[in-house]
Amino acid sequence: GEDVEQSLFLSVREGDSSVINCTYTDSSSTYLYWYKQEPGAGLQLLTYIFSNMDMKQDQRLTVLLNKKDKHLSLRIADTQTGDSAIYFCAESKGDTGRRALTFGSGTRLQVQP
Amino acid sequence: ETGVTQTPRHLVMGMTNKKSLKCEQHLGHNAMYWYKQSAKKPLELMFVYSLEERVENNSVPSRFSPECPNSSHLFLHLHTLQPEDSALYLCASSQDQSTKNIQYFGAGTRLSVL
Repeated sequence: GEDVEQSLFLSVREGDSSVINCTYTDSSSTYLYWYKQEPGAGLQLLTYIFSNMDMKQDQRLTVLLNKKDKHLSLRIADTQTGDSAIYFCAESKGDTGRRALTFGSGTRLQVQP
Repeated sequence: ETGVTQTPRHLVMGMTNKKSLKCEQHLGHNAMYWYKQSAKKPLELMFVYSLEERVENNSVPSRFSPECPNSSHLFLHLHTLQPEDSALYLCASSQDQSTKNIQYFGAGTRLSVL
């Protein structure tokens, strides 16, 4: 199976909360990331979390990490139509000084007005 | 604006053409990356350069040839490509390949091979 797995699609109404889930396989991953990709654009780093943390909050974004279950989630509060995009989860793997990111397939978030 | 600029944004080429993709970063980073993004597939890491030295080559066909003349510039030279090589090619850079390894991406080059 894939190293990093995400559901493909999520649809929410404007103003609701969105929760995007991700599972990863490498327990040695020290950092986990969420990236956003809007149509025709590259990937934009939204936030990241260090593996010794359970939660990180940044304005409307909340990241939850369950290291035991290797589960990461991104919650977007008060979702807006401008949040419609593809969201990628990624983990940092590899030897010290040779780290690389492994990405999931992305979750397409559709926000209904 | 992420500080990573890719040109051209769109490219159409025939299978016998030779073309190059360019990436430039203005962030003072020491590591640069090429990724391929195809429909319905995860991002595929193609090449990694650290301090202008290629440190990773993920079984990429030889029709893709990277070049990193200095820490700010990265090229991907293309020749005799196949239609299945049509994809979005993304460049990224990071301060280094340390544990945190936060990567900043360009907007990509959308490549179509006819």
